[in-house]
Amino acid sequence: DADVTQTPRNRITKTGKRIMLECSQTKGHDRMYWYRQDPGLGLRLIYYSFDVKDINKGEISDGYSVSRQAQAKFSLSLESAIPNQTALYFCATSAFRTGVSGELFFGEGSRLTVL
Amino acid sequence: TQLLEQSPQFLSIQEGENLTVYCNSSSVFSSLQWYRQEPGEGPVLLVTVVTGGEVKKLKRLTFQFGDARKDSSLHITAAQTGDTGLYLCAGDPMTTDSWGKFQFGAGTQVVVTP
Repeated sequence: DADVTQTPRNRITKTGKRIMLECSQTKGHDRMYWYRQDPGLGLRLIYYSFDVKDINKGEISDGYSVSRQAQAKFSLSLESAIPNQTALYFCATSAFRTGVSGELFFGEGSRLTVL
Repeated sequence: TQLLEQSPQFLSIQEGENLTVYCNSSSVFSSLQWYRQEPGEGPVLLVTVVTGGEVKKLKRLTFQFGDARKDSSLHITAAQTGDTGLYLCAGDPMTTDSWGKFQFGAGTQVVVTP
């Protein structure tokens, strides 16, 4: 089984619908992230959480919200989806180590299409 | 605005040739990572470089971190078809409130043909 699991893997929805993407991890990491990937733009950070009570906006948080339900679970919501939110979404985790950048472990991605 | 600029965006070479991918920024990073991503999968870490001027080798891959910690390069010697993928650099900003908040480049798509 994958260490970082994302559901759903693929979703097609219509403009205005509420969508939730879920992420769970078995790595025991404190830090969790949501990234969005678009062709030619790489990965852009939407939200990140360094522990259960810590939620921070990334560079493109508008139109998104998150919930850290437990150390192992971090969900991303689109309250009212719009077509330009069509993208590949990745959840990632990392371990905290003082003074050292931890490795990011990614899920397999959730492809979202908003019509 | 992309904090990390990768070049080239796309690279197509034949098996056995060498290639270099660049990652540049005007910002300083505490560390820089290189990831490879294959279709349908998430990126996977190749290496982390931490010290300015550091050079790390991973079989046929050589990674270098610039002296000023603003840039990095990835060199592949004698490329193989298995090296095909999207190569991404990611920097960890050198500020207390941004530690662990990785910034990614747009990626370099490498295609190695037989």
